[in-house]
Amino acid sequence: NAGVTQTPKFQVLKTGQSMTLQCAQDMNHEYMSWYRQDPGMGLRLIHYSVGAGITDQGEVPNGYNVSRSTTEDFPLRLLSAAPSQTSVYFCASTTGGLGTDTQYFGPGTRLTVL
Amino acid sequence: DAKTTQPPSMDCAEGRAANLPCNHSTISGNEYVYWYRQIHSQGPQYIIHGLKNNETNEMASLIITEDRKSSTLILPHATLRDTAVYYCIVRVRNDMRFGAGTRLTVKP
Repeated sequence: NAGVTQTPKFQVLKTGQSMTLQCAQDMNHEYMSWYRQDPGMGLRLIHYSVGAGITDQGEVPNGYNVSRSTTEDFPLRLLSAAPSQTSVYFCASTTGGLGTDTQYFGPGTRLTVL
Repeated sequence: DAKTTQPPSMDCAEGRAANLPCNHSTISGNEYVYWYRQIHSQGPQYIIHGLKNNETNEMASLIITEDRKSSTLILPHATLRDTAVYYCIVRVRNDMRFGAGTRLTVKP
């Protein structure tokens, strides 16, 4: 198993540009989520999905869209990039359930918005 | 989810046990205590979790007080590769709320 994979590893955008961060998992996990981590801080939840076709907002959803058309993939879209979105983005997945399952994290995407 | 309080930083000598405390005084009965760590800028790595009883796995031990208001993560023989930020999280749902964690530095 490759686990949780994220592409790209690094990205530089100009203010106002849009892009999609890719996340995929091959563990047949129902639950997937996106976090952002700003320098010196812990991770903050952006959006999550409990299964294909179902998504919901986390702690900091503004400026981001998600969709879940398959179990494997959970892309994160930046609609109009802003410098405040400069951060490291992590995708995670778990089997789901009642919060007793281990979450597996991807290696992260480092995004800079100029 | 209940909030957690951790010291911002700790040092530990290589080969010694590292004891990382966490306070979660508002924890509710169905919330689990989870520990993750983040080495440099990598994705967080799961360490251990528990509900009431003490737990041990190949990486660490988790000691939860009887009233469940605090816990301690124990790395029995810390190595330089254990230098990382350690996060204590209490959760009942799948969305985890990370605090700032404890930056553990293992020194030779």
